[in-house]
Amino acid sequence: DVRMTQSPSTLSASVGDRVTITCRASQSISNWLAWYQYKPGKAPKLLIYKASNLESGVPSRFTGSGFGTDFTLTINSLQPDDVATYYCQQYNSNFYSFGQGTKLEIK
Amino acid sequence: QLQLQESGPGLVKPSETLSLTCTVSGGSISSSDYYWGWVRQSPGKGLEWIGSIYYSGSTYYNPSLKSRVTISVDTSKNQFSLTLTSVTAADTAVYFCARDSPPLVPYANWGQGTLVTVSS
Repeated sequence: DVRMTQSPSTLSASVGDRVTITCRASQSISNWLAWYQYKPGKAPKLLIYKASNLESGVPSRFTGSGFGTDFTLTINSLQPDDVATYYCQQYNSNFYSFGQGTKLEIK
Repeated sequence: QLQLQESGPGLVKPSETLSLTCTVSGGSISSSDYYWGWVRQSPGKGLEWIGSIYYSGSTYYNPSLKSRVTISVDTSKNQFSLTLTSVTAADTAVYFCARDSPPLVPYANWGQGTLVTVSS
């Protein structure tokens, strides 16, 4: 099994800040890494796929990077609507797994 | 426009079987381009991948749930289903169905989710 570890678990930042969330895989997953935004009562929303590709319709302030075992999601110029929990997901094989999530709050 | 809709009982008793169906509209579940999956989110916990199925019937399950999970597909109804046996309170969660476009794009399309509570 590939285990995904995110940090931090919670994050508080101000509107306009640059925010970075990290995700580490227990083994190399190449760049088969996605990021999702989850708000309670809604379906998870795909933000980034293949580590750095922005999903259609997602604001360009979201960027992803990384390869192998270490990945980051960066939100430039944090907006109030970005309050959510963010999850990374590996899909290196047919057996997927998610990180434990990072809850993002506005100061 | 692709739509996925989960359906099934919202309340299941402990030790019984949870059964959910995902109905796909606006696209064919028989397409060779996609896999179809189930993901859940338990209260206070994160997203958990349950498993996936291809239209041909090939399945992949989370090892931690494999002994209790079955995912099946009914191409005539454009549906796929989840069965989880011997449920406990730990299986209380919002269950989502989703479409997967391997190898490049994972779950870009989701149902709205359905809450299943395990309680006597």
